[in-house]
Amino acid sequence: EVQLVESGGGLVQPGGSLRLSCAASGFPFSSHWMHWVRQVPGKGLVWISRINTDGSRTTSADSVKGRFTISRDNAKNTLYLQMNSLRAEDTAVYYCARDALGGTVRLDHWGQGALVTVSS
Amino acid sequence: DIQMTQSPSSLSASVGDRVTITCRASQTIDIYLNWYQQKPGKAPQLLIYATSNLQSGVPSRFSGSGSGTEFTLTISSLQTEDFATYHCQQIYSTPHTFGQGTKVEVK
Repeated sequence: EVQLVESGGGLVQPGGSLRLSCAASGFPFSSHWMHWVRQVPGKGLVWISRINTDGSRTTSADSVKGRFTISRDNAKNTLYLQMNSLRAEDTAVYYCARDALGGTVRLDHWGQGALVTVSS
Repeated sequence: DIQMTQSPSSLSASVGDRVTITCRASQTIDIYLNWYQQKPGKAPQLLIYATSNLQSGVPSRFSGSGSGTEFTLTISSLQTEDFATYHCQQIYSTPHTFGQGTKVEVK
């Protein structure tokens, strides 16, 4: 069974840092591109970042570029999102998602989400 | 960035109704559009990819169509478990932007 489990969320002050982890199991993690998507409770989904299979290529939304870094450790089957210089507007539930193999981009499995609250 | 606009933002419907949700892109995205369903407190689930391809396990009452800038998600006969929020996402280019969501509520 495919499982994605996020951890590392919590309360952080503006300007602070946090690292989210996404532990993957039940599939060949190193074969899949991975994404991060966030959602302010009650609002829409916002695509944040993606990473290729070996971690050599990443793309991020302008809203987080230079502050957030996506990375992965295929030996540990884990995806990361390092978040620096956090702002109140970064408060959201953060989801990791698997990109299905082959064909077009499609996020076919998602984690349960990790809540990040940026507040003093 | 490509802007995605869904309409309506919410709708009320009854079990058995035919429901149509529209998603418009600010520029052409060919057929590179996905649909997701999200229930309260849960992660989104992939319904349809590349405009019209049903994800494995998704009931056949769901269908998608369109190309270019206008797309539709249709539920042919709404079931109780379909009351949820639906999101479109363009995967033509990064950032892979989503629409604002359409909430399907009980009438």
